[in-house]
Amino acid sequence: SQTIHQWPATLVQPVGSPLSLECTVEGTSNPNLYWYRQAAGRGLQLLFYSVGIGQISSEVPQNLSASRPQDRQFILSSKKLLLSDSGFYLCAWTVGGANEKLFFGSGTQLSVL
Amino acid sequence: DAKTTQPNSMESNEEEPVHLPCNHSTISGTDYIHWYRQLPSQGPEYVIHGLTSNVNNRMASLAIAEDRKSSTLILHRATLRDAAVYYCILRPYNNAGNMLTFGGGTRLMVKP
Repeated sequence: SQTIHQWPATLVQPVGSPLSLECTVEGTSNPNLYWYRQAAGRGLQLLFYSVGIGQISSEVPQNLSASRPQDRQFILSSKKLLLSDSGFYLCAWTVGGANEKLFFGSGTQLSVL
Repeated sequence: DAKTTQPNSMESNEEEPVHLPCNHSTISGTDYIHWYRQLPSQGPEYVIHGLTSNVNNRMASLAIAEDRKSSTLILHRATLRDAAVYYCILRPYNNAGNMLTFGGGTRLMVKP
């Protein structure tokens, strides 16, 4: 069966420090991968999505970047965190096709202090 | 992008049916309608999806208007565990379907 792993669950980082969040998917091949961010009490904001290795689409100009070094690995990074980067970060995957479900990881709660 | 519009919040009493509306007036003929819900401090989970016909599963029912410009998620008997944010999204049947955007959703509060 397919599973998605996202870690860490919580993270507290000082302003100006780097960030690396990792997401891996098991049990499927060539998934579409997504990073979302959710501010407290708000909806989901799509940050990046990827349809294949090395293919990244960015939806919102920001202080973050994403990479997909392997088929089932998606990494969210920042060189210098800002206070506004705080939020709940969610990784998700699906296979191609409008009839397919989207599966989310358990999320990372990032607090930048 | 086809957009969806949902009420910010709704209230329900426990064990009563709940009808959560979603407007998608710019839907195209091949867009699928998906519903997800997010419990507190968790990632969203799939609830149901459909194209034209009404759909039922163990979690909920999805009623799709004949013109497909709106849909309604039906929880037949709300429980306290159904308190969550419910998102309605459209997934196009083309490469644009790779970019999955969510609106603000509807926060459902269930009263005992």
